[in-house]
Amino acid sequence: QLQLQESGPGLVKPSETLSLTCTVSGASITSHTSYWAWIRQPPGKGLEWIGSISHGGTTFYKSSLRSRVTISVDTSKNQFSLKMISVLAGDTAVYYCARAWRRAFDPWGPGTPVTV
Amino acid sequence: SHDLTQAPSVSVSPGQTATITCSGDKLGDKYSSWYQQKPGQAPVLVIYQDSKRPSGIPERFSGSTSANTATLTISGTQAMDEADYYCQAWDGDTAAGVVFGGGTKLTVL
Repeated sequence: QLQLQESGPGLVKPSETLSLTCTVSGASITSHTSYWAWIRQPPGKGLEWIGSISHGGTTFYKSSLRSRVTISVDTSKNQFSLKMISVLAGDTAVYYCARAWRRAFDPWGPGTPVTV
Repeated sequence: SHDLTQAPSVSVSPGQTATITCSGDKLGDKYSSWYQQKPGQAPVLVIYQDSKRPSGIPERFSGSTSANTATLTISGTQAMDEADYYCQAWDGDTAAGVVFGGGTKLTVL
């Protein structure tokens, strides 16, 4: 059964860099049918797609975040990661990782809260 | 703001049909998905590719699309269906251009 789990610091200072990792279990991250994504949800608000990465490392980012975000994959650890530079208070959110599957996201990790 | 528009809230009586809509430019030309999110939990996919149900999702959940609107229908709504519902659109064949709606709070009275 495919499962995802986010990990990383829960508190980041303004202007510093947020780094999160998503560990994938139950399937190989190199599956040719899958992309992997980061999605966030500010407190009391809706969902926001941050970006996605293919097993081969091709990345796609939300245009308004592209200058601050990098998503990468570590196939040796079956993980993919999010790095966001110059964080602001508005980046405070629960961050989810998910598999992009058939033009949807399923499953999702439980989410990790990040406070800036 | 969100590229996809949803009503903030919808109310339904138990056993009745709940209809949640999502509107966006040329939404019918894109693939739409729907997610259910209960408090403190991660979203769960309930409809993908406009009208398909993932394994384990009850048959009372169905989806449809028209030119600019995607619709999630819950037939015979149960108390356990009370949750936030988000639509999501995927434009094209690549993993770019993903947008979510602002969410609809479904209350089962």
